[in-house]
Amino acid sequence: QQPVQSPQAVILREGEDAVINCSSSKALYSVHWYRQKHGEAPVFLMILLKGGEQKGHEKISASFNEKKQQSSLYLTASQLSYSGTYFCGTEKSVAGAGSYQLTFGKGTKLSVIP
Amino acid sequence: DSGVTQTPKHLITATGQRVTLRCSPRSGDLSVYWYQQSLDQGLQFLIQYYNGEERAKGNILERFSAQQFPDLHSELNLSSLELGDSALYFCASSFPSGATTGELFFGEGSRLTVL
Repeated sequence: QQPVQSPQAVILREGEDAVINCSSSKALYSVHWYRQKHGEAPVFLMILLKGGEQKGHEKISASFNEKKQQSSLYLTASQLSYSGTYFCGTEKSVAGAGSYQLTFGKGTKLSVIP
Repeated sequence: DSGVTQTPKHLITATGQRVTLRCSPRSGDLSVYWYQQSLDQGLQFLIQYYNGEERAKGNILERFSAQQFPDLHSELNLSSLELGDSALYFCASSFPSGATTGELFFGEGSRLTVL
């Protein structure tokens, strides 16, 4: 049930664009994206909900294809500060009131170099 | 600062021992999550509590247990420790919105080393 991310790692020069993909074999209710810098805790980037609502980050965007159970994270004009490991997290349909399970992929390591 | 506090930050212990990791969620957050992060496995979901009750369980070993107290702080107990339990343990909290966890706020983690 763990979502699959690709690529596993990517190296960019400042100003270049990148796409990180996340796919699941299960029907999804939502997809979440987090970034973790080395030695730090993961930090929320955005949530994409079934039905199209998106809450997110200023310079990073994402899409959610419910039918294909896939999401993609788009980083444009990358900056050095974008470096880190990006995790997608997926939620299944609600199992019961107050029950939430966010399952993360193994992550995509992004390195931005000058 | 996420507002989530985890203690201890670092812990070194021996195989067979038992440890307790503590988490204080952000003020107002009802839901607490525990994740284990090791090098090759990413963030593994262990367990989730909502307002004092266990609500979702992931890949949590029987040697591990957790609880959330009336003041909403949570503890993760790890017993009969093995070398493979060495990892970074994160606690996160959220105020769930409808059918989604909402934004998770992660603590800085507790790094456990089992020798």
